Amino acid sequence: QITLKESGPTLVKPTQTLTLTCSFSGFSMTTSGGGVGWIRQPPGKALEWLALIYWDDDQHYSPSLRSRLTITRDSTNNQVILSMTDMGLVDTATYYCAHTDFGAHYFDSWGQGALVTVSS
Amino acid sequence: SSELTQDPAVSVALGQTVRISCQGDSLRTYYPLWYQQKPGQAPALVMYGKHSRPSGIPDRFSGSTSGNMAFLTITGAQAEDEADYHCSSRDSTDKYWMFGGGTRLTVL
Repeated sequence: QITLKESGPTLVKPTQTLTLTCSFSGFSMTTSGGGVGWIRQPPGKALEWLALIYWDDDQHYSPSLRSRLTITRDSTNNQVILSMTDMGLVDTATYYCAHTDFGAHYFDSWGQGALVTVSS
Repeated sequence: SSELTQDPAVSVALGQTVRISCQGDSLRTYYPLWYQQKPGQAPALVMYGKHSRPSGIPDRFSGSTSGNMAFLTITGAQAEDEADYHCSSRDSTDKYWMFGGGTRLTVL
């Protein structure tokens, strides 16, 4: 059974850098095929895909946010970390991490989500 | 194209059939993905590939495509199907993922 859980600050100030951690179990990022993506959802709004990393360190980023995002993996500790710089009020959202398999295109298991509020 | 368009809201009478649509150029190349999201919960995959449902998804859910349109059909909608439905696809360049704006389904 695959499980994922997001952790990080619930409140950040404008211009700060957000760092979120996705801790997962039930699959490995050291063996072929596994991947973890980050998706966010502002309150009452649509889902927005942010970034994804595969087991081989292949990284993909949303073209509109690429300059602000960094996704890394800590395979030893079964974690994927997302950093987003220069946070603004519009970045207030629930941030989800989710599992995928290479070539699958879909996210078949999701974390519960972490609400991050940007406010001074 | 980098957009997927969905109707904001759809309603269906209990037990009737409803079709939720999604439009985007990438759907000519990639099968759509459909996620169900109930209030306060994370999205959950309900349809992928040509006609595939994850384990546990009832067979009243089905998917289809036509040109640049994708459809999620619920045959015999139940009260528990009331939720937001999000379509998703890879971008035409196969490098990015996209989500539609979501459709809120109300079961009357």
